[in-house]
Amino acid sequence: EVQLVESGGGLVQPGGSLRLSCAASGFTFRTYRMTWVRQAPGKGLECVANINEDGSEKLYVDSVRGRFTISRDNAQNSLFLQMNSLRVEDTAVYYCGRYWGPDLWGQGTLVTVSS
Amino acid sequence: DIQVTQSPSAMSASVGDTVTITCRASQVITKYLAWFQQNPGKAPKRLIYAVSNLQSGVPSRFSGSGSGTEFTLTISSLQPEDFATYYCLQHDSFPFTFGQGTKLEIK
Repeated sequence: EVQLVESGGGLVQPGGSLRLSCAASGFTFRTYRMTWVRQAPGKGLECVANINEDGSEKLYVDSVRGRFTISRDNAQNSLFLQMNSLRVEDTAVYYCGRYWGPDLWGQGTLVTVSS
Repeated sequence: DIQVTQSPSAMSASVGDTVTITCRASQVITKYLAWFQQNPGKAPKRLIYAVSNLQSGVPSRFSGSGSGTEFTLTISSLQPEDFATYYCLQHDSFPFTFGQGTKLEIK
């Protein structure tokens, strides 16, 4: 089955860190650009980070640049988002997506930043 | 950065109606404009890619059009399952930006 499955979300205090993972299956992961999109509670969608097929190009929205790092392991069919110096405003459901205008989405993982 | 303004933010319609949602960009978008449908508590689903291409498996009552800075999603003959929130996304120029969303409700 073609799917993406995120994991790693949870409750973290402001200033803390989390690492999100996205496991891909059913397609040739190494041939696709990938993206992380987040959605704060009751709000719209925001594209936060993108990575090209071999990981040589990484793009970040201004609000997370310098704090978040996107990476991938093509041998393990996995996408990652390392999130450091987390802020209350980073609270959201985080989705991984296949391609930069995602045609396939995971179910999302909730990140809550609160003291 | 390309700003994307989506309108309306909310609308109500009846089953069988035809509705149109618009996204206006602050700069010309050459090709990479997509439309998504999202139901509460669910991940978005891509409906249209590259302005006017229908995603496989999506009913033909959904269509996309436009060019330059103005793009539209049209849903013809609304069905009960179409009442959801819709977003456009430009991924022509980074940072990629979504519209603010349009919540389509049953009248």
